[in-house]
Amino acid sequence: AQTVTQSQPEMSVQEAETVTLSCTYDTSESDYYLFWYKQPPSRQMILVIRQEAYKQQNATENRFSVNFQKAAKSFSLKISDSQLGDAAMYFCAYRTLRNNNDMRFGAGTRLTVKP
Amino acid sequence: DAGVTQSPTHLIKTRGQQVTLRCSPISGHKSVSWYQQVLGQGPQFIFQYYEKEERGRGNFPDRFSARQFPNYSSELNVNALLLGDSALYLCASSWGEQGNSPLHFGNGTRLTVT
Repeated sequence: AQTVTQSQPEMSVQEAETVTLSCTYDTSESDYYLFWYKQPPSRQMILVIRQEAYKQQNATENRFSVNFQKAAKSFSLKISDSQLGDAAMYFCAYRTLRNNNDMRFGAGTRLTVKP
Repeated sequence: DAGVTQSPTHLIKTRGQQVTLRCSPISGHKSVSWYQQVLGQGPQFIFQYYEKEERGRGNFPDRFSARQFPNYSSELNVNALLLGDSALYLCASSWGEQGNSPLHFGNGTRLTVT
């Protein structure tokens, strides 16, 4: 079974600094997708960034980038120039086409941004 | 454009009762998925529907059922409610059913079972 592990229940970063959130996953599949979602207090899950496993190049979206290491099954999220609005729960998620298209989420990391 | 809308936003039920949660996908999206998010955990997959057919089901008991209507909206039904069913229920829509089709989530329905 596919599992997603986020080993950091909470992280804190100073405004304008950089923070990295960790995520590891376990799978025997070769084709899959990885995502980072942000969940602010409004409860809505917002897609931050996604990575296709067949792509070697790390995805980047403005201040957000990932470090995808397929062999190590690691998928970390780097937030540069952190802003107060980045404070939220961050969930790493895994999705494969083969297994009913369901998405597996980690337990989340609560990010606090200090002014 | 409107995002994924869910109703109601909050709901309080008693053990043994039945509940129906509703979801309207983003216009043009044909796939709807349901997730349960217990406090302090990540969401867990319940169902996926695409073109009104069930495409996937997570590890939930038969008390949970769902359906998708011709306009692609969806309902999630839970019978014989248990205290453990208290959670945030998230609906997500996507334009396709493939894994590369990003999920767009609604704000969820907070269900409390007493």
